[in-house]
Amino acid sequence: GEDVEQSLFLSVREGDSSVINCTYTDSSSTYLYWYKQEPGAGLQLLTYIFSNMDMKQDQRLTVLLNKKDKHLSLRIADTQTGDSAIYFCAALRGNQFYFGTGTSLTVIP
Amino acid sequence: ETGVTQSPTHLIKTRGQQVTLRCSSQSGHNTVSWYQQALGQGPQFIFQYYREEENGRGNFPPRFSGLQFPNYSSELNVNALELDDSALYLCATRAGGTDEQYFGPGTRLTVT
Repeated sequence: GEDVEQSLFLSVREGDSSVINCTYTDSSSTYLYWYKQEPGAGLQLLTYIFSNMDMKQDQRLTVLLNKKDKHLSLRIADTQTGDSAIYFCAALRGNQFYFGTGTSLTVIP
Repeated sequence: ETGVTQSPTHLIKTRGQQVTLRCSSQSGHNTVSWYQQALGQGPQFIFQYYREEENGRGNFPPRFSGLQFPNYSSELNVNALELDDSALYLCATRAGGTDEQYFGPGTRLTVT
């Protein structure tokens, strides 16, 4: 299978940048995703990157992929209190998605 | 708004009972996957259906089964419920030819 790992917690001040990190084990993963989950809700697709790309930017979000190290990061610029949530990294291998355990982001006003 | 809906929102069942959870997606989303998310964990893949056939399964026993219908709705059935089946059950759908997977809001199942 695929192991996807994330750090559990991150705390930042409002207006700062947040960087959430993820590592995965299977180099045959084709796409890598970031999802956001707010309390009591389902998962919201934020962005995703094809495995042969190394960067993707979408408004305040920047995804960096280091395929050699199997390391993915999500940078959120100008973090707002509404960004407080759990962020999940996921890897697509074949037709199956493998999720990390999530990083809980707390934004301090 | 993902266009993916799930019912019911919450459900309480007793150990040994059976449960059916439902998911509806928008037209053209012919791939549906079901996930179990235990408290404090990431979603775990249960199985996937494509054009009404199961085409992938995670590490879940046969008492977890599913159906997909021509109208893009699907069901997750769980027999002989166990206490550890208490979790948030999520369905996620994809349109043909895309790799964007969209989740519904989930059904919170509590087994007592």
